[in-house]
Amino acid sequence: ETGVTQTPRHLVMGMTNKKSLKCEQHLGHNAMYWYKQSAKKPLELMFVYSLEERVENNSVPSRFSPECPNSSHLFLHLHTLQPEDSALYLCASSQGGGSNYGYTFGSGTRLTVV
Amino acid sequence: AQSVTQPDIHITVSEGASLELRCNYSYGATPYLFWYVQSPGQGLQLLLKYFSGDTLVQGIKGFEAEFKRSQSSFNLRKPSVHWSDAAEYFCAVGFTGKLIFGQGTTLQVKP
Repeated sequence: ETGVTQTPRHLVMGMTNKKSLKCEQHLGHNAMYWYKQSAKKPLELMFVYSLEERVENNSVPSRFSPECPNSSHLFLHLHTLQPEDSALYLCASSQGGGSNYGYTFGSGTRLTVV
Repeated sequence: AQSVTQPDIHITVSEGASLELRCNYSYGATPYLFWYVQSPGQGLQLLLKYFSGDTLVQGIKGFEAEFKRSQSSFNLRKPSVHWSDAAEYFCAVGFTGKLIFGQGTTLQVKP
């Protein structure tokens, strides 16, 4: 039990579909993150939310749209994706910026775009 | 600029052999230091962390890491590797409210 739950674990979607990834944390943390992890590439930070406000957006294409309705939930809405968007999407949470205590990660959603 | 370097992209060791994974960082002060492990298709799990005090830190699964200020390093070690240790390992540095991750080292364990 990591305290951060991601659903679904696997998702296959066509390029014209719209889907959403969900992340829920039960740790009382106040910051949440989306990372993209592609094969043979380093972790890419996509979005950072602190106290439900987006504080960082690392030049992510607009076909990825994050939403943080409260401090426990984080969504990543997907639409008109490209095959190169296929990757493992990881959610993480932390107390504050995480530099003191680190991040707690979910198990990820494996996304395949066909 | 602050950075984290894991010089070894891929390491292969025999089961039962000792292991050392390297991590170097660039930062003006003593940072918070972390090691994470990721099994295939899974998220990252915290192995251990260093804040201050004793420079040798014990973690889960029999891992330890040593902080060496003079070398700006935080290398991960295990005296005897098990086949289940095959995974990807990430070093991370915490500063100014963020974690910066290294590129990862893939560990393969030979029977």
